[in-house]
Amino acid sequence: KAGVTQTPRYLIKTRGQQVTLSCSPISGHRSVSWYQQTPGQGLQFLFEYFSETQRNKGNFPGRFSGRQFSNSRSEMNVSTLELGDSALYLCASSALAGGGYEQYFGPGTRLTVT
Amino acid sequence: SQQGEEDPQALSIQEGENATMNCSYKTSINNLQWYRQNSGRGLVHLILIRSNEREKHSGRLRVTLDTSKKSSSLLITASRAADTASYFCATVIYNQGGKLIFGQGTELSVKP
Repeated sequence: KAGVTQTPRYLIKTRGQQVTLSCSPISGHRSVSWYQQTPGQGLQFLFEYFSETQRNKGNFPGRFSGRQFSNSRSEMNVSTLELGDSALYLCASSALAGGGYEQYFGPGTRLTVT
Repeated sequence: SQQGEEDPQALSIQEGENATMNCSYKTSINNLQWYRQNSGRGLVHLILIRSNEREKHSGRLRVTLDTSKKSSSLLITASRAADTASYFCATVIYNQGGKLIFGQGTELSVKP
């Protein structure tokens, strides 16, 4: 099976712009989660989606949003980018929701905000 | 704040030696998972241990869980240079779905 794919892999944006990141889960996986990784804050949970519904949301401002499509692919959007949004954004998929299953991570999208 | 605290933050050993990393957490958990990350790339799942389990093995990996002390340890035996990576523990809390709460990680360096 193909793994979790994320596009783009690298992105450079300017403050104030918006960005959309995409994640394709492993075939058959219906749960997709997003994480932000920075040197200062480490790995932090953004959202979890299952069957197109947001099941859980982390402690991030409303500039961070996401959605999941009927084919389980997911996108996250960050509007009005700030320098502090520079990070590695990781997507993970799981066969089922509920937290009792291992999660498979994609390679990440490295976002740089200048 | 982070649920998990990992110790040590960095560990340097020789090939063939064993590496032990510890993780402590604050609240009751559904399960605890360990992940490996190579040089800022994606995370690779290593092992999942449920709250009613005390020990689990996978190849050269051994994980223990002590829910009374709210702590877990990851032991890598006979380490190899390829084990050089950052290792993270992540907890899943009841009624919080699949949300993983990560520790800050242990950076392991295995010298040939």
